[in-house]
Amino acid sequence: AQSVAQPEDQVNVAEGNPLTVKCTYSVSGNPYLFWYVQYPNRGLQFLLKYITGDNLVKGSYGFEAEFNKSQTSFHLKKPSALVSDSALYFCAVRARKNSGGYQKVTFGTGTKLQVIP
Amino acid sequence: DGGITQSPKYLFRKEGQNVTLSCEQNLNHDAMYWYRQDPGQGLRLIYYSQIVNDFQKGDIAEGYSVSREKKESFPLTVTSAQKNPTAFYLCASSPTSGNTGELFFGEGSRLTVL
Repeated sequence: AQSVAQPEDQVNVAEGNPLTVKCTYSVSGNPYLFWYVQYPNRGLQFLLKYITGDNLVKGSYGFEAEFNKSQTSFHLKKPSALVSDSALYFCAVRARKNSGGYQKVTFGTGTKLQVIP
Repeated sequence: DGGITQSPKYLFRKEGQNVTLSCEQNLNHDAMYWYRQDPGQGLRLIYYSQIVNDFQKGDIAEGYSVSREKKESFPLTVTSAQKNPTAFYLCASSPTSGNTGELFFGEGSRLTVL
């Protein structure tokens, strides 16, 4: 079974400072990893994904994430936080089936990011 | 514009009533999904469908039903058998071929049982 852990319910960071939102995963085989963002009472928006290749993935709104296979982590980062980045962030994992196709997507429980002016 | 439309945005229901949430997509995606979101629990999969006229139970299907009569539509019925239906419901879709897995979400429907 695959799983995702987001160990922090909330992360507080001052505007202009770098931010990190942590994610670790467990999956059989090669993982496809994703980050989504959710604003209050809205749906989830796709930020970025890791499929293969370069371990540093760049996405929307200046976010990036680093895939670390040995630590089974996929932490979300941004060099300089904005107040408008305050939202709920979800990490997700999906594995490829041996028979082709994909396993269901498994989401973490979410991390609330609060950027303080 | 292409996207996923969920309706209604807010819905109130009395106990014992069934309610149907609409989800329509014009992205030409084969797969569609229903998730339930509760505070601190992330997203839990209720039902999913990878092709018209076929669907599978997710992790928390009890008390819910779906249909997939058209590629564009995947309505969810919350029945009176669902013991704790108050939640935020999210519909999503994705292609099934040549796809690495990201989902496209609607804006959600918030159901409150009075």
